[in-house]
Amino acid sequence: AQSVTQLDSHVSVSEGTPVLLRCNYSSSYSPSLFWYVQHPNKGLQLLLKYTSAATLVKGINGFEAEFKKSETSFHLTKPSAHMSDAAEYFCVVSDLTGTASKLTFGTGTRLQVTL
Amino acid sequence: ETGVTQTPRHLVMGMTNKKSLKCEQHLGHNAMYWYKQSAKKPLELMFVYSLEERVENNSVPSRFSPECPNSSHLFLHLHTLQPEDSALYLCASSQEIGQTSGNTIYFGEGSWLTVV
Repeated sequence: AQSVTQLDSHVSVSEGTPVLLRCNYSSSYSPSLFWYVQHPNKGLQLLLKYTSAATLVKGINGFEAEFKKSETSFHLTKPSAHMSDAAEYFCVVSDLTGTASKLTFGTGTRLQVTL
Repeated sequence: ETGVTQTPRHLVMGMTNKKSLKCEQHLGHNAMYWYKQSAKKPLELMFVYSLEERVENNSVPSRFSPECPNSSHLFLHLHTLQPEDSALYLCASSQEIGQTSGNTIYFGEGSWLTVV
């Protein structure tokens, strides 16, 4: 069985400072990993995904994540936070169920950005 | 706009009511999903349809009944719900290609359900 652990339920940064949201995964094979973002009262939007190509993945809005198999980690980073980055972020691992994808979500990290 | 549209966005229903949530995807995808998002809990996969066949039913109570009449539409029929069923219900779709994982799943904005 696969699982995802988001190590921080809440992260607060100042605008203009770096963002680090931590994620560790457990999977018995080579996983596909995603980061999704959810702004208040909105659905989930894909930030980026890793599917066994380059280990450093670049996403939208300046976010990137690095897949580290030895550490079973897929941390999300951004060099400089913006107020609009305040949202809930979910680390996700993908599996197959029959002929469809099945996502296992972490519990989420709420990012707060202060002036 | 993700290409996945959910209606209604907000729904309040009594425990004896019957209502339905509707989802429509405009992306030409062949798989559709219902997820439940409750406060302080991870998103829970409820149902998966691939090529209009149900391929996953995650031990969901029978008071939730999905329907997938075609690859673009997905319904969640609700009957005699409980207050603890109040949550955000998210619809999603993906284009599945053979037996490969890692296909991107696109989500709608959700339907907020309150059971009183």
